[in-house]
Amino acid sequence: DAGVTQSPTHLIKTRGQQVTLRCSPKSGHDTVSWYQQALGQGPQFIFQYYEEEERQRGNFPDRFSGHQFPNYSSELNVNALLLGDSALYLCASSPDQGLNTEAFFGQGTRLTVV
Amino acid sequence: DQQVKQNSPSLSVQEGRISILNCDYTNSMFDYFLWYKKYPAEGPTFLISISSIKDKNEDGRFTVFLNKSAMHLSLHIVPSQPGDSAVYFCASTHGSQGNLIFGKGTKLSVKP
Repeated sequence: DAGVTQSPTHLIKTRGQQVTLRCSPKSGHDTVSWYQQALGQGPQFIFQYYEEEERQRGNFPDRFSGHQFPNYSSELNVNALLLGDSALYLCASSPDQGLNTEAFFGQGTRLTVV
Repeated sequence: DQQVKQNSPSLSVQEGRISILNCDYTNSMFDYFLWYKKYPAEGPTFLISISSIKDKNEDGRFTVFLNKSAMHLSLHIVPSQPGDSAVYFCASTHGSQGNLIFGKGTKLSVKP
């Protein structure tokens, strides 16, 4: 079992550009959550997807959007990138209605905006 | 305003001794608390959790204590091992399925 896989592992983008990050959940998991971890901070919840719909959302602007596909994989899109969007983006998957203890995190995508 | 606070950015402990990591929370609605461990270049890994109906939960070398009146929890690692060296995050949530609110983390170094 490959666990949660994220791609790419590292990415450099220019301010104002758009970026798409990808996540494949652990086998058997159908719920995907995205977190942003800025340097020196803890992960901050962005949103959660279940049954291809956004189920919960944290305090992030509309520039952050997502999508979930029928195979449960997910994308995080960020438009009009700002320097402050530079961070580690973490994807976590869990079975629906599963406890948070059952959430598995991927290794993250390190995004650098220059 | 930070709802989950880990006020010690780092902690250094000798191998075999006890490591105590602390966490404070400000939201009285939180009723489920978790600790995660994170190694460099890896995602956070779940370590141990506790519900607000308990004041202690133990799993091998790891014990979490919850003091609801003080809105404080702590993670004890006994005995500490060099492989425990990592960043430890405290996280809280309302309900066992809510989104997680993380602290900033404490970097633990266990020296041989």
